[in-house]
Amino acid sequence: EPEVTQTPSHQVTQMGQEVILRCVPISNHLYFYWYRQILGQKVEFLVSFYNNEISEKSEIFDDQFSVERPDGSNFTLKIRSTKLEDSAMYFCASRLTLVDSGANVLTFGAGSRLTVL
Amino acid sequence: ILNVEQSPQSLHVQEGDSTNFTCSFPSSNFYALHWYRWETAKSPEALFVMTLNGDEKKKGRISATLNTKEGYSYLYIKGSQPEDSATYLCAFPTGTASKLTFGTGTRLQVTL
Repeated sequence: EPEVTQTPSHQVTQMGQEVILRCVPISNHLYFYWYRQILGQKVEFLVSFYNNEISEKSEIFDDQFSVERPDGSNFTLKIRSTKLEDSAMYFCASRLTLVDSGANVLTFGAGSRLTVL
Repeated sequence: ILNVEQSPQSLHVQEGDSTNFTCSFPSSNFYALHWYRWETAKSPEALFVMTLNGDEKKKGRISATLNTKEGYSYLYIKGSQPEDSATYLCAFPTGTASKLTFGTGTRLQVTL
């Protein structure tokens, strides 16, 4: 069964460092998302991406965050200068189509755990 | 701010017990409700998408019901097994890209 893959599974970094989290969505999916879960809190939406541009982003997704799809397969989340509060599990997800969108499930990756020291 | 709540936060049952938990969500502008199952170190996996008031869906020993007028959905597990141990998340799609707003999750542990 097709799956969304994420790397790395765990990254430890120093505050202020740049981090890039990578995702390979399912090949024929068109919509891509990043979510995160800070330990003990709800899973939160960060950003959605369609047709090579951001379609929606949350208040969390400030200028320190960026996404891109550099080569038609990878979908990356970059955090320019990490803060302690960026420590979380980051999930990538993809969806085939936005038609009847609310009823289409997301396929999630297993997550990248980011620890900022 | 959209409020999606789940209860209980955690649940510990014995193998063979049946159990259920609740997701409550805003009843206005309802479009769909998603249930996901998330085992530790694995991807959250879609269980159900509920769209119609009164909907009942079933997958093996797991079933879910939906009441859009009062804004809640129940997830039932019949005859719990240790492999059912996971966090069960409900999510409510909103916005132009149908981003999901998640509940807090119910963490289920099933012991022998």
